Amino acid sequence: AQRVTQPEKLLSVFKGAPVELKCNYSYSGSPELFWYVQYSRQRLQLLLRHISRESIKGFTADLNKGETSFHLKKPFAQEEDSAMYYCALRAAGNKLTFGGGTRVLVKP
Amino acid sequence: GAGVSQSPSNKVTEKGKDVELRCDPISGHTALYWYRQSLGQGLEFLIYFQGNSAPDKSGLPSDRFSAERTGGSVSTLTIQRTQQEDSAVYLCASSPIRLAGGLETQYFGPGTRLLVL
Repeated sequence: AQRVTQPEKLLSVFKGAPVELKCNYSYSGSPELFWYVQYSRQRLQLLLRHISRESIKGFTADLNKGETSFHLKKPFAQEEDSAMYYCALRAAGNKLTFGGGTRVLVKP
Repeated sequence: GAGVSQSPSNKVTEKGKDVELRCDPISGHTALYWYRQSLGQGLEFLIYFQGNSAPDKSGLPSDRFSAERTGGSVSTLTIQRTQQEDSAVYLCASSPIRLAGGLETQYFGPGTRLLVL
Protein backbone atom coordinates (compact mmCIF):
# COMPACT_ATOMS: atom_id res chain seq x y z
CA ALA A 1 0.00 0.00 0.00
CA GLN A 2 1.17 3.52 -0.68
CA ARG A 3 1.89 6.07 2.00
CA VAL A 4 2.81 9.76 2.05
CA THR A 5 4.52 11.35 5.02
CA GLN A 6 4.88 15.03 5.76
CA PRO A 7 6.91 15.17 8.97
CA GLU A 8 6.29 18.83 9.77
CA LYS A 9 2.81 19.89 10.84
CA LEU A 10 3.82 23.54 11.07
CA LEU A 11 6.53 25.61 9.44
CA SER A 12 6.97 29.18 10.54
CA VAL A 13 9.37 31.39 8.56
CA PHE A 14 10.00 35.07 8.07
CA LYS A 15 9.19 36.82 4.83
CA GLY A 16 12.08 36.54 2.42
CA ALA A 17 13.50 33.43 4.06
CA PRO A 18 13.73 30.11 2.23
CA VAL A 19 11.12 27.49 2.96
CA GLU A 20 11.25 23.74 2.38
CA LEU A 21 8.35 21.37 3.01
CA LYS A 22 9.35 17.76 3.28
CA CYS A 23 7.46 14.91 1.68
CA ASN A 24 8.42 11.26 1.64
CA TYR A 25 6.48 8.47 0.04
CA SER A 26 6.41 4.72 -0.09
CA TYR A 27 5.17 2.97 -3.20
CA SER A 28 6.52 -0.03 -5.03
CA GLY A 29 5.70 1.22 -8.51
CA SER A 30 6.28 4.43 -10.43
CA PRO A 31 4.24 7.16 -8.74
CA GLU A 32 2.97 10.53 -9.77
CA LEU A 33 3.58 13.14 -7.10
CA PHE A 34 1.69 16.36 -6.53
CA TRP A 35 1.62 19.30 -4.19
CA TYR A 36 -1.79 20.75 -3.36
CA VAL A 37 -2.36 23.99 -1.47
CA GLN A 38 -5.32 25.27 0.51
CA TYR A 39 -5.37 28.98 1.30
CA SER A 40 -7.57 30.29 4.07
CA ARG A 41 -11.26 29.94 3.18
CA GLN A 42 -10.45 28.61 -0.29
CA ARG A 43 -10.74 25.21 -1.83
CA LEU A 44 -7.91 22.76 -2.24
CA GLN A 45 -6.06 23.40 -5.49
CA LEU A 46 -3.17 21.92 -7.38
CA LEU A 47 0.13 23.74 -6.93
CA LEU A 48 2.41 21.59 -9.02
CA ARG A 49 3.06 18.06 -10.25
CA HIS A 50 6.37 16.35 -10.71
CA ILE A 51 5.88 15.38 -14.34
CA SER A 52 5.47 19.02 -15.35
CA ARG A 53 8.84 20.04 -13.92
CA GLU A 54 7.54 23.56 -13.59
CA SER A 55 7.84 26.38 -11.09
CA ILE A 56 4.57 27.75 -9.80
CA LYS A 57 4.46 30.89 -7.64
CA GLY A 58 8.20 30.46 -7.13
CA PHE A 59 7.81 26.93 -5.77
CA THR A 60 9.68 23.95 -7.18
CA ALA A 61 9.74 20.30 -6.23
CA ASP A 62 12.06 17.57 -7.43
CA LEU A 63 11.21 13.90 -7.35
CA ASN A 64 14.08 11.92 -5.85
CA LYS A 65 13.33 8.27 -6.42
CA GLY A 66 16.42 7.15 -4.53
CA GLU A 67 15.29 8.92 -1.38
CA THR A 68 11.58 8.53 -2.22
CA SER A 69 11.10 12.22 -1.58
CA PHE A 70 9.31 15.11 -3.25
CA HIS A 71 10.21 18.13 -1.16
CA LEU A 72 8.68 21.52 -1.98
CA LYS A 73 10.98 24.54 -1.95
CA LYS A 74 10.82 28.28 -2.36
CA PRO A 75 13.90 30.47 -1.99
CA PHE A 76 12.10 33.58 -0.73
CA ALA A 77 8.82 33.07 1.11
CA GLN A 78 6.06 35.67 0.82
CA GLU A 79 3.23 36.39 3.25
CA GLU A 80 0.71 35.19 0.67
CA ASP A 81 2.33 31.75 0.80
CA SER A 82 0.78 31.18 4.21
CA ALA A 83 -1.48 28.18 3.69
CA MET A 84 -1.90 24.47 4.23
CA TYR A 85 0.18 22.33 1.88
CA TYR A 86 -0.50 18.69 1.05
CA CYS A 87 1.78 16.29 -0.74
CA ALA A 88 -0.10 13.61 -2.67
CA LEU A 89 0.71 10.46 -4.57
CA ARG A 90 -1.31 8.97 -7.40
CA ALA A 91 -0.72 5.28 -7.83
CA ALA A 92 -2.70 2.78 -9.85
CA GLY A 93 -6.42 3.47 -9.78
CA ASN A 94 -6.14 7.23 -9.97
CA LYS A 95 -7.08 7.94 -6.38
CA LEU A 96 -4.81 10.30 -4.47
CA THR A 97 -3.11 9.39 -1.24
CA PHE A 98 -2.38 12.51 0.78
CA GLY A 99 0.12 13.30 3.45
CA GLY A 100 -1.03 14.81 6.72
CA GLY A 101 -0.37 18.34 5.55
CA THR A 102 2.01 21.10 6.60
CA ARG A 103 0.77 24.49 7.69
CA VAL A 104 3.08 27.27 6.54
CA LEU A 105 3.04 30.58 8.32
CA VAL A 106 5.07 33.38 6.79
CA LYS A 107 5.66 36.17 9.25
CA PRO A 108 6.27 39.75 8.14
CA GLY B 1 -16.31 28.04 -16.23
CA ALA B 2 -18.02 26.77 -13.12
CA GLY B 3 -15.98 24.61 -10.81
CA VAL B 4 -16.98 21.64 -8.72
CA SER B 5 -19.88 22.53 -6.44
CA GLN B 6 -21.05 20.81 -3.30
CA SER B 7 -24.13 21.11 -1.13
CA PRO B 8 -24.89 21.77 1.58
CA SER B 9 -21.86 23.78 2.62
CA ASN B 10 -22.55 22.95 6.26
CA LYS B 11 -24.62 20.21 7.85
CA VAL B 12 -25.35 19.66 11.52
CA THR B 13 -27.09 16.45 12.42
CA GLU B 14 -27.82 14.30 15.42
CA LYS B 15 -26.10 11.02 16.05
CA GLY B 16 -28.03 8.19 14.41
CA LYS B 17 -29.56 10.26 11.61
CA ASP B 18 -28.82 9.71 7.92
CA VAL B 19 -27.27 12.47 5.80
CA GLU B 20 -26.85 13.01 2.07
CA LEU B 21 -24.09 15.13 0.60
CA ARG B 22 -24.23 16.25 -3.01
CA CYS B 23 -21.49 16.92 -5.56
CA ASP B 24 -21.83 18.54 -8.98
CA PRO B 25 -18.64 17.90 -10.96
CA ILE B 26 -17.27 20.09 -13.72
CA SER B 27 -19.23 19.49 -16.90
CA GLY B 28 -17.56 16.90 -19.09
CA HIS B 29 -15.39 15.43 -16.35
CA THR B 30 -15.70 11.67 -16.39
CA ALA B 31 -14.04 10.91 -13.07
CA LEU B 32 -15.43 11.86 -9.67
CA TYR B 33 -13.83 11.33 -6.27
CA TRP B 34 -14.89 11.71 -2.66
CA TYR B 35 -12.40 12.44 0.11
CA ARG B 36 -12.75 13.16 3.81
CA GLN B 37 -10.73 15.79 5.64
CA SER B 38 -10.80 15.38 9.40
CA LEU B 39 -8.74 16.65 12.29
CA GLY B 40 -5.89 14.34 13.02
CA GLN B 41 -6.54 12.20 9.96
CA GLY B 42 -5.69 14.56 7.13
CA LEU B 43 -7.23 13.87 3.75
CA GLU B 44 -8.37 10.34 3.05
CA PHE B 45 -9.79 8.80 -0.08
CA LEU B 46 -13.31 7.40 0.13
CA ILE B 47 -14.62 6.40 -3.30
CA TYR B 48 -13.92 6.96 -7.00
CA PHE B 49 -16.22 6.83 -10.04
CA GLN B 50 -14.91 6.60 -13.60
CA GLY B 51 -17.43 6.61 -16.43
CA ASN B 52 -19.53 3.45 -16.46
CA SER B 53 -16.96 1.34 -14.64
CA ALA B 54 -17.66 -0.13 -11.23
CA PRO B 55 -16.67 2.40 -8.58
CA ASP B 56 -13.58 1.95 -6.44
CA LYS B 57 -15.05 1.78 -2.94
CA SER B 58 -11.86 0.75 -1.20
CA GLY B 59 -11.70 3.86 0.97
CA LEU B 60 -15.17 3.73 2.49
CA PRO B 61 -14.67 3.34 6.25
CA SER B 62 -17.77 1.23 6.94
CA ASP B 63 -20.93 -0.09 5.34
CA ARG B 64 -22.77 2.96 6.69
CA PHE B 65 -21.14 4.90 3.86
CA SER B 66 -22.34 4.63 0.27
CA ALA B 67 -22.26 6.77 -2.84
CA GLU B 68 -24.03 6.94 -6.15
CA ARG B 69 -23.35 8.76 -9.36
CA THR B 70 -26.41 9.21 -11.54
CA GLY B 71 -26.12 9.70 -15.27
CA GLY B 72 -22.38 10.04 -15.05
CA SER B 73 -22.70 13.46 -13.48
CA VAL B 74 -24.04 14.37 -10.04
CA SER B 75 -22.97 12.22 -7.11
CA THR B 76 -24.50 11.72 -3.68
CA LEU B 77 -22.58 10.46 -0.67
CA THR B 78 -24.86 8.96 1.96
CA ILE B 79 -23.92 8.30 5.54
CA GLN B 80 -26.40 6.20 7.48
CA ARG B 81 -26.76 6.21 11.25
CA THR B 82 -24.17 8.95 11.64
CA GLN B 83 -21.64 8.77 14.45
CA GLN B 84 -19.68 11.59 16.05
CA GLU B 85 -16.49 10.32 14.43
CA ASP B 86 -18.08 11.01 11.02
CA SER B 87 -17.69 14.74 11.69
CA ALA B 88 -15.35 16.06 9.02
CA VAL B 89 -15.18 18.05 5.82
CA TYR B 90 -16.23 15.91 2.87
CA LEU B 91 -14.53 16.93 -0.35
CA CYS B 92 -15.52 16.05 -3.87
CA ALA B 93 -13.19 16.29 -6.86
CA SER B 94 -13.52 15.66 -10.56
CA SER B 95 -11.11 15.20 -13.43
CA PRO B 96 -11.30 14.90 -17.20
CA ILE B 97 -9.78 12.20 -19.35
CA ARG B 98 -6.16 12.81 -20.20
CA LEU B 99 -5.56 12.66 -23.94
CA ALA B 100 -3.06 9.86 -23.49
CA GLY B 101 -5.73 7.75 -21.84
CA GLY B 102 -5.01 8.40 -18.22
CA LEU B 103 -6.78 10.84 -15.93
CA GLU B 104 -5.87 14.44 -15.44
CA THR B 105 -5.54 16.74 -12.49
CA GLN B 106 -8.28 16.60 -9.90
CA TYR B 107 -10.29 19.76 -9.25
CA PHE B 108 -11.76 20.05 -5.80
CA GLY B 109 -15.04 21.44 -4.56
CA PRO B 110 -15.39 23.67 -1.50
CA GLY B 111 -16.44 20.77 0.70
CA THR B 112 -19.35 20.04 3.01
CA ARG B 113 -18.60 20.50 6.69
CA LEU B 114 -20.49 17.82 8.62
CA LEU B 115 -20.95 18.02 12.37
CA VAL B 116 -22.57 15.11 14.17
CA LEU B 117 -23.78 16.00 17.64
